[in-house]
Amino acid sequence: IAGITQAPTSQILAAGRRMTLRCTQDMRHNAMYWYRQDLGLGLRLIHYSNTAGTTGKGEVPDGYSVSRANTDDFPLTLASAVPSQTSVYFCASSDTGGAGANVLTFGAGSRLTVL
Amino acid sequence: GQNIDQPTEMTATEGAIVQINCTYQTSGFNGLFWYQQHAGEAPTFLSYNVLDGLEEKGRFSSFLSRSKGYSYLLLKELQMKDSASYLCAVMDSNYQLIWGAGTKLIIKP
Repeated sequence: IAGITQAPTSQILAAGRRMTLRCTQDMRHNAMYWYRQDLGLGLRLIHYSNTAGTTGKGEVPDGYSVSRANTDDFPLTLASAVPSQTSVYFCASSDTGGAGANVLTFGAGSRLTVL
Repeated sequence: GQNIDQPTEMTATEGAIVQINCTYQTSGFNGLFWYQQHAGEAPTFLSYNVLDGLEEKGRFSSFLSRSKGYSYLLLKELQMKDSASYLCAVMDSNYQLIWGAGTKLIIKP
């Protein structure tokens, strides 16, 4: 089934630990994104990649890093987790990274709790 | 700053019609999107408007007025499965999506 796979689905993490959220898509989309979703707030962009080999910072990049070694994979790493990073994380992809009906396809989300 | 406003929560009756409004103030405009998100699930695309007017897609329609910075999503013949959050997002002049906090729609029998 074509789409985006995220792992883990849910994780509880001690503050200060390193964590990588995995994201893989099989739609050959050029652009990929990481968002966080918190209660009462809109989706906030953490990092994005318009094509393999390039990445960019979104609205809330601090404390997070990404890499885009190939088209399919876009992992998000928290180098040293803090409680404020408790959130639901969504990976998304789109065929184009800019103009037009840039429709996003989202993964099922990763719920992260940092204690 | 950039801002998207939509009501936090709305309640409607099965079989009825509901209109969810979205107003925006952004740096430029390159289209407005509506997504549906069921509780605990991923957002899924509903509609895209870039020109003024009404776009109809089955039971769902979306309207845009660029001069007023305003859009609405119209849901007809409401079904229980329409209970979800509805997210409004605007693409700004830098082709970045600005998201509203979402409107939680509760459908009652």
